Amino acid sequence: AQSVTQPDIHITVSEGASLELRCNYSYGATPYLFWYVQSPGQGLQLLLKYFSGDTLVQGIKGFEAEFKRSQSSFNLRKPSVHWSDAAEYFCAVGPARKAAGNKLTFGGGTRVLVKP
Amino acid sequence: EAEVAQSPRYKITEKSQAVAFWCDPISGHATLYWYRQILGQGPELLVQFQDESVVDDSQLPKDRFSAERLKGVDSTLKIQPAELGDSAMYLCASSLGINQPQHFGDGTRLSIL
Repeated sequence: AQSVTQPDIHITVSEGASLELRCNYSYGATPYLFWYVQSPGQGLQLLLKYFSGDTLVQGIKGFEAEFKRSQSSFNLRKPSVHWSDAAEYFCAVGPARKAAGNKLTFGGGTRVLVKP
Repeated sequence: EAEVAQSPRYKITEKSQAVAFWCDPISGHATLYWYRQILGQGPELLVQFQDESVVDDSQLPKDRFSAERLKGVDSTLKIQPAELGDSAMYLCASSLGINQPQHFGDGTRLSIL
């Protein structure tokens, strides 16, 4: 069964500092990987996705993520955090094969707090 | 602002009552999903439609939950009767097709008293 682990429940970072959110997955085949962000009371917004090719993917709002197959990881990074980045971040994994459908499995989320 | 429309945004009801949520996906999106997100957790898929057909409802509690997408466009998720444990955010998402990125609505926050 597929699973996603986000080891950090909360992270506090100062505005302007760098941010890295960890994501580890368990999946029996080539996965599709996603990062979503959720502001309080809102739905999820797609930050970036990895399907294939270059293992370093760029997303919106200055975020990037690196797929490391050997470590089963897909960590999210941002070089300089803005106060508006305070939100909850979810990593998700889905099947790469079309026949397997598109069921996403989400991690438990990491809440990011930004200090002024 | 989310392009997937959901209503209502908030719903408060008593246990044993019926409740319904509505979702209008992005135009042209064939695949529609309903997720439940318990506070402090990630979303969990309840049901997935491809056009008007159910593709996956393995996690849908069918004794009390039902979902339909009669014309393959908008969708309704119903709970009857509601239980205290159903309090959660119910999210709808849509995608162009299977294995395409999913776009989420703002959700319906359900509170059962």
